[in-house]
Amino acid sequence: GDSVTQMEGPVTLSEEAFLTINCTYTATGYPSLFWYVQYPGEGLQLLLKATKADDKGSNKGFEATYRKETTSFHLEKGSVQVSDSAVYFCALLSGGSYIPTFGRGTSLIVHP
Amino acid sequence: NAGVTQTPKFQVLKTGQSMTLQCAQDMNHEYMSWYRQDPGMGLRLIHYSVGAGITDQGEVPNGYNVSRSTTEDFPLRLLSAAPSQTSVYFCASRGGLLAGAKNIQYFGAGTRLSVL
Repeated sequence: GDSVTQMEGPVTLSEEAFLTINCTYTATGYPSLFWYVQYPGEGLQLLLKATKADDKGSNKGFEATYRKETTSFHLEKGSVQVSDSAVYFCALLSGGSYIPTFGRGTSLIVHP
Repeated sequence: NAGVTQTPKFQVLKTGQSMTLQCAQDMNHEYMSWYRQDPGMGLRLIHYSVGAGITDQGEVPNGYNVSRSTTEDFPLRLLSAAPSQTSVYFCASRGGLLAGAKNIQYFGAGTRLSVL
C-alpha cells in the first residue's frame, strides 16, 4: 500500500537558517504529492503541491520538487522565520484513492 | 465561504458518556473524513465517506460511529467515551471528480476532547 516517510523532529533552527525536511514515499502509479502545514492550535492547511514528475511546488518561500527517480518530495526554504514554526506533513494521493496518505509530521521550531 | 466547520472546539467528558462531534462543509465536496491526532502518532483515519449514504472504516474505527445523510454534514459519534479517546479530532473534506477538484484536502480547526 501507499506510505509516506518523513524525517523525525523536532527540527530546531535559528532565524534565517536554511531548512530541509525530507519526505520519501511508496505508491503505485503516479501520485500527487503535497505538503501541509499545521500552525499551533489550528487544523492542517495546504502549503504546496505537485502533480507530476519534475514539477516544483512553491508557496510562501517554500519549495519542493517531485522526484520520481528517488521517490522523494523534500521541503526546502532558504531563510526561515520565527513565524514558520509549525508542524509540516508530507502527503500523497494515488489515482483512484479517496483519502490521502499522510506522513507522521515534522515539528519545526525557529528561534529568533 | 466558511470551508469546514467543526463544533465544539473543546469538550470534556466523563468515562461512559456519549457525544457527537459535528462537521459541516459548504464546498459541495463528495469526500469527507475524520482523523484523530495524538502526540507522536501523526494523523490516524477513523472513518470516511465518499458521498451521502456511503461510509467506510479507517485505521482506528473502534468506539466511533458515523453517518452521512447529506453532502454537507458528517458527524462523528462517540458511543461510550473512554480515556483512550482523549485526543484532537479533525474533520476534512475533498472534492471528487464531479466537483472539478484539485485533490486538495481541506481541514477544520479541530475539536479538543478530554475524557476523564
